[in-house]
Amino acid sequence: DQQVKQNSPSLSVQEGRISILNCDYTNSMFDYFLWYKKYPAEGPTFLISISSIKDKNEDGRFTVFLNKSAKHLSLHIVPSQPGDSAVYFCAASFNAGGTSYGKLTFGQGTILTVHP
Amino acid sequence: DAGVIQSPRHEVTEMGQEVTLRCKPISGHDYLFWYRQTMMRGLELLIYFNNNVPIDDSGMPEDRFSAKMPNASFSTLKIQPSEPRDSAVYFCASSFNLGVPGNTIYFGEGSWLTVV
Repeated sequence: DQQVKQNSPSLSVQEGRISILNCDYTNSMFDYFLWYKKYPAEGPTFLISISSIKDKNEDGRFTVFLNKSAKHLSLHIVPSQPGDSAVYFCAASFNAGGTSYGKLTFGQGTILTVHP
Repeated sequence: DAGVIQSPRHEVTEMGQEVTLRCKPISGHDYLFWYRQTMMRGLELLIYFNNNVPIDDSGMPEDRFSAKMPNASFSTLKIQPSEPRDSAVYFCASSFNLGVPGNTIYFGEGSWLTVV
């Protein structure tokens, strides 16, 4: 059962435009969400996160929106740059006590290509 | 500052052989994770340790897989005997203080395993 889903395997965007990556989850216990970026032949790197007590978190060109009622989050990149081309993973976790926030559940990833 | 170090980066082995993947976490981190990435299942958590003690191994696919952390600076993931369906990228990651959300999990560059 895929608890975190990224239904778009790929996204192609023109440089300077907005990139919107989407993620849906099914487990209502998730209360912390993260986005990771991964370049080829490298490990995933943390990008931005959001707690369920918020509906928006912004960091420079990156903004994550959370819609708890829809169990949906999205990552907006504005403006998109060719260097943003990578695989983006959505991840979620929840507080089951102790160290549970370390147990991240990842989506399948979305390949973002930003064309010059 | 060195990141998470994994070895080997690439391994090709024959079915039935034993495979050992190695990881050195970031110094000072007390959590260590083993993830596996495949096309079919994306990024899956296999097992994680806290202070060298396995906390959750529910993601380990079967008894052919085993993981150890003999000290704070070293961990192994062993597959014996290996099968072609074990072909994947195996990531080691580390972090600290995961009792609350917000601390980042840092990934190594991965070990690419091919079992023929």
